[in-house]
Amino acid sequence: GESVGLHLPTLSVQEGDNSIINCAYSNSASDYFIWYKQESGKGPQFIIDIRSNMDKRQGQRVTVLLNKTVKHLSLQIAATQPGDSAVYFCAEILTNSGGYQKVTFGTGTKLQVIP
Amino acid sequence: EPEVTQTPSHQVTQMGQEVILRCVPISNHLYFYWYRQILGQKVEFLVSFYNNEISEKSEIFDDQFSVERPDGSNFTLKIRSTKLEDSAMYFCASSVVVNEKLFFGSGTQLSVL
Repeated sequence: GESVGLHLPTLSVQEGDNSIINCAYSNSASDYFIWYKQESGKGPQFIIDIRSNMDKRQGQRVTVLLNKTVKHLSLQIAATQPGDSAVYFCAEILTNSGGYQKVTFGTGTKLQVIP
Repeated sequence: EPEVTQTPSHQVTQMGQEVILRCVPISNHLYFYWYRQILGQKVEFLVSFYNNEISEKSEIFDDQFSVERPDGSNFTLKIRSTKLEDSAMYFCASSVVVNEKLFFGSGTQLSVL
């Protein structure tokens, strides 16, 4: 039968190269963003976050860039390793005036690291 | 490293039956969440819980769903009368600050037959 679901975009990267994973978010008022990594059969794992008053934040081997003008978020992974193979997705958090937060996850990108 | 634990890892049930999914959040965390992920689809928010009450819930979290923190360590999600479309991976998560740096469990794969 026909399967219904998302076809994840896939990024294939040679081991040791840098990876750039992109995310287009939906709401220009979103004020907080998170990148998660999800390995097969596991729950999402926090990687790095950024607030809307910043445009760049660096972690260990990872950098997140935020471009609010075009509602774009990217995750850069330096010196990609086989253990980085996973699905990566962004989450945007919108806080309204009443303090209510809406969390929306992106569809994800599958990163395949070629040894 | 502390982790969120979920049991069971797999649950098979008949349509119309009640299921309870169990989670033990990280001990010093204050906020608890349930998310679900239907195969091949996005992670979807169900509910958040703070100070022994629901703080936010999504449209998915209807009257068939309930959450409870029966003691100081467990956090449960109950589905009263399961439907076929409830089949999904259910993730529990916890955090110190609301919606920041969530720690997720490995999930419970629920199959409704």
